Amino acid sequence: AQSVSQHNHHVILSEAASLELGCNYSYGGTVNLFWYVQYPGQHLQLLLKYFSGDPLVKGIKGFEAEFIKSKFSFNLRKPSVQWSDTAEYFCAVNQGGKLIFGQGTELSVKP
Amino acid sequence: DGGITQSPKYLFRKEGQNVTLSCEQNLNHDAMYWYRQDPGQGLRLIYYSQIVNDFQKGDIAEGYSVSREKKESFPLTVTSAQKNPTAFYLCASSIVVVGKGSYEQYFGPGTRLTVT
Repeated sequence: AQSVSQHNHHVILSEAASLELGCNYSYGGTVNLFWYVQYPGQHLQLLLKYFSGDPLVKGIKGFEAEFIKSKFSFNLRKPSVQWSDTAEYFCAVNQGGKLIFGQGTELSVKP
Repeated sequence: DGGITQSPKYLFRKEGQNVTLSCEQNLNHDAMYWYRQDPGQGLRLIYYSQIVNDFQKGDIAEGYSVSREKKESFPLTVTSAQKNPTAFYLCASSIVVVGKGSYEQYFGPGTRLTVT
């Protein structure tokens, strides 16, 4: 069965630092990949998604992610974080009509 | 204004009581899902339904039940058999494309259930 692993449970950065959050999934083949974000007190919302085509995907708020099939990875990046990026980030993979989520990474950005 | 509504936002129950959490969507999505979110464990799938009058167990279905009598509604009952019911419960919906599975899921605001 598919599983998703997010390596960092809690990341603390200063504003303007670069961000990379790791995400690996276990099962090969055709995958649909997602990053969701949960800001404090808000709904879980979609940051970006990969279905096919260009493996470098751009999302909202300056985030991007790169799908590397050979590494089973879909890491999330942002060149310069802001205090408002403080949130919990979830990676997910589509399997048979279900989404399998990682454990989540809590990002704290210091002003 | 399209979206997913979950009510209530906070719910308190005594141990041994069943409780039903509401989830309604007006996005005309075929599929609906219930997740449980616990700190450090991400989202775990309880039940999901891809069409009316049909649903499947997720990874942690024990102690929960659902129904899908209408496309717009997917209520979740937390029964007294659920050993650790205190959690944050999220409902989601998505479109389903035959042969391609479901697309991205849209989430409701969640219900925080506390059982004492």
